[in-house]
Amino acid sequence: DQQVKQNSPSLSVQEGRISILNCDYTNSMFDYFLWYKKYPAEGPTFLISISSIKDKNEDGRFTVFLNKSAKHLSLHIVPSQPGDSAVYFCAASANSNYQLIWGAGTKLIIKP
Amino acid sequence: DAGVTQSPTHLIKTRGQQVTLRCSPKSGHDTVSWYQQALGQGPQFIFQYYEEEERQRGNFPDRFSGHQFPNYSSELNVNALLLGDSALYLCASSAGPPGDEQYFGPGTRLTVT
Repeated sequence: DQQVKQNSPSLSVQEGRISILNCDYTNSMFDYFLWYKKYPAEGPTFLISISSIKDKNEDGRFTVFLNKSAKHLSLHIVPSQPGDSAVYFCAASANSNYQLIWGAGTKLIIKP
Repeated sequence: DAGVTQSPTHLIKTRGQQVTLRCSPKSGHDTVSWYQQALGQGPQFIFQYYEEEERQRGNFPDRFSGHQFPNYSSELNVNALLLGDSALYLCASSAGPPGDEQYFGPGTRLTVT
């Protein structure tokens, strides 16, 4: 049972345009969500997070939106840069639970 | 400041053998989590150690065990290896409450033949 789903295995975006990565979850107990980026041969790197009490969090070029009623979150990257090409993972946790539940990842390719 | 380090980088074992993977957390971090990442999937939580005790465990059999030392470093042991144990094993450290930002090492690639 996949509690966190990233339905797009890959996404290709033109450099300078907006990249939108999507994530859906099924567990209503999740109250904290994170996005990680992973380059080949490296461990995941934390990007941005959002608590369930918010619906938006912004950090530079990265913005995460949370729609609790739809159990959906998205990561917007504006403008997209070649260095953004990586695999992006969505992860979630519940307050009483120490473990992160991860999606399968979306490979983002930024075209020059 | 060294980040999270893991050893070895790669490892090849035979079915039925035992393996030990090692992790040193980022300086100032006292919590270590272990994840298994199969090809094409997201990391799966194995367990988390805090104050030298297993604080929480994911859905993994008892063949997977761990240990945390007083200096916060950690080991992951897997007994009676199966072909399905072939994966990238990631160690993450953190210093805050659950869900707080975790810093990951580069992982150990385990291949079981």
